[in-house]
Amino acid sequence: DQQVKQNSPSLSVQEGRISILNCDYTNSMFDYFLWYKKYPAEGPTFLISISSIKDKNEDGRFTVFLNKSAKHLSLHIVPSQPGDSAVYFCAAAQYSGAGSYQLTFGKGTKLSVIP
Amino acid sequence: DTAVSQTPKYLVTQMGNDKSIKCEQNLGHDTMYWYKQDSKKFLKIMFSYNNKELIINETVPNRFSPKSPDKAHLNLHINSLELGDSAVYFCASRDTQETQYFGPGTRLLVL
Repeated sequence: DQQVKQNSPSLSVQEGRISILNCDYTNSMFDYFLWYKKYPAEGPTFLISISSIKDKNEDGRFTVFLNKSAKHLSLHIVPSQPGDSAVYFCAAAQYSGAGSYQLTFGKGTKLSVIP
Repeated sequence: DTAVSQTPKYLVTQMGNDKSIKCEQNLGHDTMYWYKQDSKKFLKIMFSYNNKELIINETVPNRFSPKSPDKAHLNLHINSLELGDSAVYFCASRDTQETQYFGPGTRLLVL
């Protein structure tokens, strides 16, 4: 039972255009959401996060939108650059006790930015 | 000055062997994790340690045992390796803002 779903395994976008990566979740108990970027043979690196009490968070070219009623979040990258080509993981955090949060990851979307 | 490091990066071994993967973080974080990324590319949490106490233990076979000699280290020991253990194992540590920082991964192949 996947609690975090990224339904698009891949996405191709022209350089300079907007990339929109989508993520859906089923558990209303998630407290915040994160996006990670992963290059081949490297670990995931943190990109941006959003609390469940907000609907938008922006950091440079990256903006994350959260629609709680639809249990949907999206990552917008604008303008897209060839260096953005990577696998993007959506993750959702839920408090698991003793001061710790547990992350549940989606399967990832491979973004290819075409020069 | 790597924040979260893992050794070895690649590990090829025979079924039935016992192996360990080491993880170190120099970020001063209190909580560390082990994740497994399987062939279907899902990242799934295995363990987490907070101040040397195991606080999450998912349905992982008891052949897997995390060991934390101190706050900066969380090693993963695997007994009697099986073919299905082949995967990429990621270590991570968490800051006070709940963001997790991942190591580069250890690619384990069991033959």
